[in-house]
Amino acid sequence: QKEVEQNSGPLSVPEGAIASLNCTYSDRGSQSFFWYRQYSGKSPELIMSIYSNGDKEDGRFTAQLNKASQYVSLLIRDSQPSDSATYLCAVNDGSNYKLTFGKGTLLTVNP
Amino acid sequence: DTGVSQNPRHKITKRGQNVTFRCDPISEHNRLYWYRQTLGQGPEFLTYFQNEAQLEKSRLLSDRFSAERPKGSFSTLEIQRTEQGDSAMYLCASSFSPSEAFFGQGTRLTVV
Repeated sequence: QKEVEQNSGPLSVPEGAIASLNCTYSDRGSQSFFWYRQYSGKSPELIMSIYSNGDKEDGRFTAQLNKASQYVSLLIRDSQPSDSATYLCAVNDGSNYKLTFGKGTLLTVNP
Repeated sequence: DTGVSQNPRHKITKRGQNVTFRCDPISEHNRLYWYRQTLGQGPEFLTYFQNEAQLEKSRLLSDRFSAERPKGSFSTLEIQRTEQGDSAMYLCASSFSPSEAFFGQGTRLTVV
């Protein structure tokens, strides 16, 4: 069974710090990797996608992928209280594009 | 609003009743997915459509669940004879293959 593992947290960081969120996956055939942000009571919102090894930067967010280690991470620079949410890691194998999600990491940014 | 739209946003039903949810995907997206999310868990895949064809259904999905996507546009998810264990957030997502999936606001189902 394909699995995606995340630390459930909560991860607490002060405002302005770097938040680091980690995810590992079991299926070596996985090809696409996504980070979703989910505020309490709301639906997941796509914030980053990454498809090849290395780093991908978008504003304050950087996604990092290491397929050999089956590891993907999300860095949030200059964290803001508005970044407080659950961050979901999602993986698909490219065959049908359905996503397998981790349980999410709760991030709290303290003012 | 050009995003994924789901209705209703909330549904409270008595155990044993049937419920139906609707999803309107982003218009140019040919793939549509249904997921279910319970508290403290990530979304769990239920089924997906490419255009009007239902191409995969989760083995976890009981026969009480059925989904349709007539004409490859909107989709409906029906749950028959609801049980308390069906209480969850039901999420619809769409994508233009191959691409990222975008979620609707979800339908929160409470079975009492």
